[in-house]
Amino acid sequence: GAGVSQSPSNKVTEKGKDVELRCDPISGHTALYWYRQSLGQGLEFLIYFQGNSAPDKSGLPSDRFSAERTGGSVSTLTIQRTQQEDSAVYLCASSPQRGSGQFFGPGTRLTVL
Amino acid sequence: QKEVEQDPGPLSVPEGAIVSLNCTYSNSAFQYFMWYRQYSRKGPELLMYTYSSGNKEDGRFTAQVDKSSKYISLFIRDSQPSDSATYLCAMPSQGAQKLVFGQGTRLTINP
Repeated sequence: GAGVSQSPSNKVTEKGKDVELRCDPISGHTALYWYRQSLGQGLEFLIYFQGNSAPDKSGLPSDRFSAERTGGSVSTLTIQRTQQEDSAVYLCASSPQRGSGQFFGPGTRLTVL
Repeated sequence: QKEVEQDPGPLSVPEGAIVSLNCTYSNSAFQYFMWYRQYSRKGPELLMYTYSSGNKEDGRFTAQVDKSSKYISLFIRDSQPSDSATYLCAMPSQGAQKLVFGQGTRLTINP
């Protein structure tokens, strides 16, 4: 079966622009997570969805970051007014339920010039 | 102090060697332990998932958990060049929601 998919795979943008990153989780997985991976910081949690609601947004680094999930499936992570420090790989993961293993997508590599 | 500590390496061993990868953690509330393998420019791949103390074996891979010492290990037997990757330990935190990751150990198996 299909795994977690993310698009685009690469995104280069100019400082100050807005970007949208998309995640398609494994069908039937109710939990969805966004993480960010950068050289200096490793893998950091951003936000967790259970269904369409986000009970944990504690990892979002600023109010420029937001995310939504619709239909209990696709999720979009939006970064407004991008900064150079936002450059990283953004990873999405899904799991069938809370507490089980999380399955990751290939990531979106974001470069802010 | 980070919640999960992992030696970033790099670690380089000859093909066929036994590899030992380790993590320590500080939060005794951690109950589940995972190992992920990440190839260059790919997403992390779930390799092993363990709950209790002791050993869990899957093919050439063995995960070991010692909750009393807050220490987990991943052993790779008969290592292959295809095992060359970064290995990350991870533990669910805060009600089993977010994963807390170690820094990752970069492993190279030399033919």
